[in-house]
Amino acid sequence: GAVVSQHPSWVICKSGTSVKIECRSLDFQATTMFWYRQFPKQSLMLMATSNEGSKATYEQGVEKDKFLINHASLTLSTLTVTSAHPEDSSFYICSATPDGTYEQYFGPGTRLTVT
Amino acid sequence: GENVEQHPSTLSVQEGDSAVIKCTYSDSASNYFPWYKQELGKRPQLIIDIRSNVGEKKDQRIAVTLNKTAKHFSLHITETQPEDSAVYFCASYSSASKIIFGSGTRLSIRP
Repeated sequence: GAVVSQHPSWVICKSGTSVKIECRSLDFQATTMFWYRQFPKQSLMLMATSNEGSKATYEQGVEKDKFLINHASLTLSTLTVTSAHPEDSSFYICSATPDGTYEQYFGPGTRLTVT
Repeated sequence: GENVEQHPSTLSVQEGDSAVIKCTYSDSASNYFPWYKQELGKRPQLIIDIRSNVGEKKDQRIAVTLNKTAKHFSLHITETQPEDSAVYFCASYSSASKIIFGSGTRLSIRP
């Protein structure tokens, strides 16, 4: 149980284009999902908290107009990187928390490369 | 703001020996402390967690201890095996309802 999927697993895009990443909780409902960014050999940096039916809460320094988050259902959150630039290249990981618990279960991650 | 410090950043132990990773947190209202293991290129996996009303929890070769007064918690791995090699992250569930991660410890098990 407690499986989280993420799609795509990797994507290459050109500067200036937008990329959408999906995060799904497969066997549980998650009112809250989280989006992280991880640079090589570094820890997970929380970007934003995604709340079903309401606006996401962004961490300080994360541009909400650049990283658009939509949490339209209890099992799906999406992160759209708009007008991507090479510095946006990174490993993006989502996580989901089963309602009523603290545990976070992570998706497999999406490696984004912007050329 | 909330902060979690983790030490050491790298740790190398002989197979069969024990490994200990330590973390401190700043938010005194934190009440949940998970540990994650991340292998190269893979997702973090929850390996053990502890809540603030418990001082110690054990699961086979893995144990976690919590000292709320000192705001310290530690991961203990006994009888280490090659498959224990990975990066380990501690984390603290803050009063702002989000998890703050430590900087990670790269554990290597020497054969």
